Amino acid sequence: DTGVSQDPRHKITKRGQNVTFRCDPISEHNRLYWYRQTLGQGPEFLTYFQNEAQLEKSRLLSDRFSAERPKGSFSTLEIQRTEQGDSAMYLCASSPTPGQGEETQYFGPGTRLLVL
Amino acid sequence: KQEVTQIPAALSVPEGENLVLNCSFTDSAIYNLQWFRQDPGKGLTSLLLIQSSQREQTSGRLNASLDKSSGRSTLYIAASQPGDSATYLCAVPLGNTGKLIFGQGTTLQVKP
Repeated sequence: DTGVSQDPRHKITKRGQNVTFRCDPISEHNRLYWYRQTLGQGPEFLTYFQNEAQLEKSRLLSDRFSAERPKGSFSTLEIQRTEQGDSAMYLCASSPTPGQGEETQYFGPGTRLLVL
Repeated sequence: KQEVTQIPAALSVPEGENLVLNCSFTDSAIYNLQWFRQDPGKGLTSLLLIQSSQREQTSGRLNASLDKSSGRSTLYIAASQPGDSATYLCAVPLGNTGKLIFGQGTTLQVKP
């Protein structure tokens, strides 16, 4: 296992278009997190999954955002009707379930989104 | 509400200097604290994780300390090198959910 992977690495889209990002976590990790990072800021939590269950969504996540982890493995994050304010780096991270020893979150390389 | 602050926002030092990066958090009831490194346009690389019961962790030239009672952590980098140039982020989990609250980061430049 080579770590957390994300696809695509870069996405340029026009305002109003839909985009979908994919995250493949470390295979034995139950937890999967999505974060968003804008320039000069630390990442902000968006949502997370325990296996296939989505446990929480941040208030930052408007109704245009949806995330899935259908089989408890990879996850997708979809943004509908993109806006220029959605331009950011979208980061995925995975970890074992907290409280079960190793709790380090491992991050993927991110998907950089630019909405024109 | 947990807030994480990092000071300074940017730091420039000559090669070979020892340096300290600071991280403070408002709610001392944390499970752990994690330090990350981020190169420009890249994802985050985990450097060190300190459990709430620990006072410090070391990895190579890096040493991270944790003082829960004062709500502070420091990352000490010994004998800095140009390759250490990056943004350093600290983060604490919110309760036992695992979701991380990040500071704004300190951007370090080590000049040859």
